[in-house]
Amino acid sequence: EAQVTQNPRYLITVTGKKLTVTCSQNMNHEYMSWYRQDPGLGLRQIYYSMNVEVTDKGDVPEGYKVSRKEKRNFPLILESPSPNQTSLYFCASSSWTGGSYEQYFGPGTRLTVT
Amino acid sequence: DAKTTQPNSMESNEEEPVHLPCNHSTISGTDYIHWYRQLPSQGPEYVIHGLTSNVNNRMASLAIAEDRKSSTLILHRATLRDAAVYYCILVDAGNMLTFGGGTRLMVKP
Repeated sequence: EAQVTQNPRYLITVTGKKLTVTCSQNMNHEYMSWYRQDPGLGLRQIYYSMNVEVTDKGDVPEGYKVSRKEKRNFPLILESPSPNQTSLYFCASSSWTGGSYEQYFGPGTRLTVT
Repeated sequence: DAKTTQPNSMESNEEEPVHLPCNHSTISGTDYIHWYRQLPSQGPEYVIHGLTSNVNNRMASLAIAEDRKSSTLILHRATLRDAAVYYCILVDAGNMLTFGGGTRLMVKP
């Protein structure tokens, strides 16, 4: 089954403790991205990657890092989490269809930073 | 970034067609019109996209105005499982999705 998986699905952590949210896709997509969703602000893109070893900032990259060492994985790293990074995070991978990208989203990771 | 305007909410009866409108008067010539939906407690789900011509797929139809300043997502027979927030998004060549507030669709049995 074609899918995007994220782990963990839920995470409660403390300020300053480094964490990584993993994202993996089995569709051989080149394009992957991370979003955060906050009430009243909708989904905002954090980082995206056009291909292996190619990453770029989205709308809200501050406080986040990503890496793309292999095509299927695109982990999101919070080196020193802060409470304002409490949010619902989605990973997505994209296929090129009909002249544009069609994005497939993972189930989400709910992060709470205390 | 080009923006879209959608009604905050709409109601429909089960098994009736639903027309979800979207205005995008500042659309550029290369922007594609995408629709996604988000069911409760799930990630967004791709529905359909188009550039100029009307499009159909197994989930929905997309009607695009001739001047491209507006579009309508058509669900031909709404079911309870179609209750979700529907987002109309303009996507440029950079593929960044900028989600607005969307339309919350409620389906009554």
